[in-house]
This record gives sequence, structure tokens and C-alpha cells, in this order.
Amino acid sequence: QVQLVQSGAEVKKPGASVKVSCKASGYTFTRNAMNWVRQAPGQRPEWMGRINTGDGDTKYSQKFQGRVTIIRDTSASTAYMELSSLRSEDTAVYYCARELEESSGYHFDYWGQGTLVSVAS
Amino acid sequence: QSALTQPRSVSGSPGQSVTISCTGTSSDVGGYNYVSWYQQHPGKAPKLMIYDVTKRPSGVPDRFSGSKSGNTASLTISGLQAEDEADYYCCSYAGSYSFVVFGGGTNLTVL
Repeated sequence: QVQLVQSGAEVKKPGASVKVSCKASGYTFTRNAMNWVRQAPGQRPEWMGRINTGDGDTKYSQKFQGRVTIIRDTSASTAYMELSSLRSEDTAVYYCARELEESSGYHFDYWGQGTLVSVAS
Repeated sequence: QSALTQPRSVSGSPGQSVTISCTGTSSDVGGYNYVSWYQQHPGKAPKLMIYDVTKRPSGVPDRFSGSKSGNTASLTISGLQAEDEADYYCCSYAGSYSFVVFGGGTNLTVL
């Protein structure tokens, strides 16, 4: 069965960086793009970016351009999201989400369990 | 990018039907047939319920259906059950600049 397992919760100070991992299993990792979506407490989900796990091509939300980097390690079936220059507004649960193969429409059929990133001084 | 507009809350009794609307613009909902809907229970990750406006992933009951007219998409849940009580978010592709935009979410209460 498809599983996305993320790394554990993080507490960071303003200005620091955080790197969250997402290990995939149960399918061929390079067949589906991987996206990152965050959700602040009580807020709507917010798309951050995606990586084509086959060729490594990335696309980022304009909101996070310059602060977010998404990479993948195909040998480990793992995707990573790094967010820099953290501020308190970045406190949120960060999810990796597999992109549905059957459509070109950026739909997310499997999600990780979420990683809480807390930013506080 | 602006969020898609959803009602804050809807409610219905078991067995009834409810419809949740999602209003965007011609740059997102109206411009592409790439609307999806997610169900989210408290403390859980979102679950894909509808994609490409009307399609259901395997395992999603046919009580859930989607449609679109112009810049507004809709999710209809028929034969409401207690386990349908959750937050629902719409989502749309928004072109090669904004890529993906989510709605503000609708809390469904089953009375």
C-alpha cells in the first residue's frame, strides 16, 4: 500500500531553516510528482511547490520563491522540502502529497501524516 | 493568489443532501477542468474526494459528486452520514504562475 512517512516535529527560531523529509513506499517513486502543502492552525491548505521525481524539475509558489527548495533522492524514495528565513507566520503543519498520475491537474491522492513546524523565539 | 470562496459552514440531517459551492475566477475554476475536493477530519491529513471536477478516486462512495458551472464548482453529498462531518476544501489549478489555489474551507455538520 502507498505510504508517505514524514520526519518529526521541529521547533525553530526566527531566521533559521527547516528541512522536512518524506519517504515514499508502496509504489514506484519516480512515477508521480511530489508536492508540498502547508496548513497553519485553523487555516486553508496552501500549496508550496512540487518536484517531478523523475527528472528533478521543480515548480514553486510565487509566495515562497527564493525561500523554499524541494529536492528528491530517488535511491531512497524520499523527497525533501527546505524552508529558509523562518518567521512566526511559518508555524504550520507541512504535508507532502503525491500527485495523481491520471490527471494533469495537480490533484493529491496520498498525503503524509504531516510535520508540525513551530517558529518561536 | 486569492483563495477560492466557500461558505464557512453547511449542515444537514442524516439521509439528506447538501451542496457546497466554490467560487473562483476565469483564471482558476472557470479556466480549467481541474477542480478537486478534499475532506479533512480534525487532526488528519486531507483526503481526495473528487478530481477533474467530476471524477471520484477508487474507494470514494458515489454519494459524493462534483460539478461546475462557469467560475463556480460544487460538491454534493447525498445520503448524509455521521462520518461525513468534516471540513471540505475545494482546490483548482490556476495556471503556470499561481499553479494551485485552495478554498477557505467549509465545515459540514451532520445534525
